[in-house]
Amino acid sequence: GQQVMQIPQYQHVQEGEDFTTYCNSSTTLSNIQWYKQRPGGHPVFLIQLVKSGEVKKQKRLTFQFGEAKKNSSLHITATQTTDVGTYFCAGPGYSGAGSYQLTFGKGTKLSVIP
Amino acid sequence: EADIYQTPRYLVIGTGKKITLECSQTMGHDKMYWYQQDPGMELHLIHYSYGVNSTEKGDLSSESTVSRIRTEHFPLTLESARPSHTSQYLCASSEESGGKNTGELFFGEGSRLTVL
Repeated sequence: GQQVMQIPQYQHVQEGEDFTTYCNSSTTLSNIQWYKQRPGGHPVFLIQLVKSGEVKKQKRLTFQFGEAKKNSSLHITATQTTDVGTYFCAGPGYSGAGSYQLTFGKGTKLSVIP
Repeated sequence: EADIYQTPRYLVIGTGKKITLECSQTMGHDKMYWYQQDPGMELHLIHYSYGVNSTEKGDLSSESTVSRIRTEHFPLTLESARPSHTSQYLCASSEESGGKNTGELFFGEGSRLTVL
């Protein structure tokens, strides 16, 4: 079935450094979503990418969708302590009978050292 | 802010007890989901529903059951809780979407279950 691999699993950065997490799929994705989960919190939707090669920015966050639509990345410029949390990518996986459900990657846990 | 609510937020119970985790959303979403997540780990889909009277099992096998009698309500039940059921249970909903477009998920704050 659909697998979404995410690396790295953990990342510790000094405040002000950049951070990138990568997501790879075993199959072509129609779209990919990114979520952020703060410690002790619930996942919150960040963005959805649909087009091949798409790049979207949200302030210091840059999201990319690969040309082959099999990989994606999230880059944070000049991290802040408010960026702490786990970042998940998620892609639609076939669950039978014409149905697709989101399959989440294992997430990248970001720690920011002040 | 998403209008999806879960109760209880925290629950500590003994082995063998029956528990029901409540989930309600006021957004009129047809699709609802239950995910299980151990602390700091990935999310596993255990149940989902397309609408009233529709329930399906997710990727991760679970001894829990769900029901969808009303659009806004998607409770999860464990008939006999065991320590292995200790986890966080997250409810989510999304708008109806076609084909591979799964739509943005709105998550509740989660129910943290501890079975002694």
